[in-house]
Amino acid sequence: QQQVKQSPQSLIVQKGGISIINCAYENTAFDYFPWYQQFPGKGPALLIAIRPDVSEKKEGRFTISFNKSAKQFSLHIMDSQPGDSATYFCAAPPVNRDDKIIFGKGTRLHILP
Amino acid sequence: DAGVIQSPRHEVTEMGQEVTLRCKPISGHDYLFWYRQTMMRGLELLIYFNNNVPIDDSGMPEDRFSAKMPNASFSTLKIQPSEPRDSAVYFCASTRHLATINTIYFGEGSWLTVV
Repeated sequence: QQQVKQSPQSLIVQKGGISIINCAYENTAFDYFPWYQQFPGKGPALLIAIRPDVSEKKEGRFTISFNKSAKQFSLHIMDSQPGDSATYFCAAPPVNRDDKIIFGKGTRLHILP
Repeated sequence: DAGVIQSPRHEVTEMGQEVTLRCKPISGHDYLFWYRQTMMRGLELLIYFNNNVPIDDSGMPEDRFSAKMPNASFSTLKIQPSEPRDSAVYFCASTRHLATINTIYFGEGSWLTVV
């Protein structure tokens, strides 16, 4: 079964700083590596995803960096804002079509005002 | 589309009582998932269905938990009897294609407290 290791568990960043969350996976045969964002009292929602044929994808202040050889991908939040305070989950696609999708354990991000 | 709809949003029940959580997935989605979220264990997959058929229930913690999907638009997660350690947020989610995981849509969750 796929294992996904996410770090750190929690993160405190000053407003305007860079938040970095990392994710490592074991194996995959499929094509998307996403990050989900969860605000208190809400369900997780897709934030940004990357295909492994590119090394970086940027959407506004959010960037995914992908290192295929190391089987790692990370989320960078530039100019972090208090509104970015949330829990972030990475996920790895299944190895086989009927495998479970595995989420990381989450990173609780708090941006200090 | 209204998204994944869960009910109840909040439930407080006494230990030993039966709890039934309900979910309506997004129309046209073939896969439905039930997750449990706690501080200690994060987001755990309990069970998932493909075209109303349970595919993998290995995440169901014990026999007190059961899930059904009688049709494409409705699923239930039942806990009988409930225990305080079942207190958690239970999420239902759906997706069209399992492999393209950036299309998983979560409901807003059912917050369960067992006292």
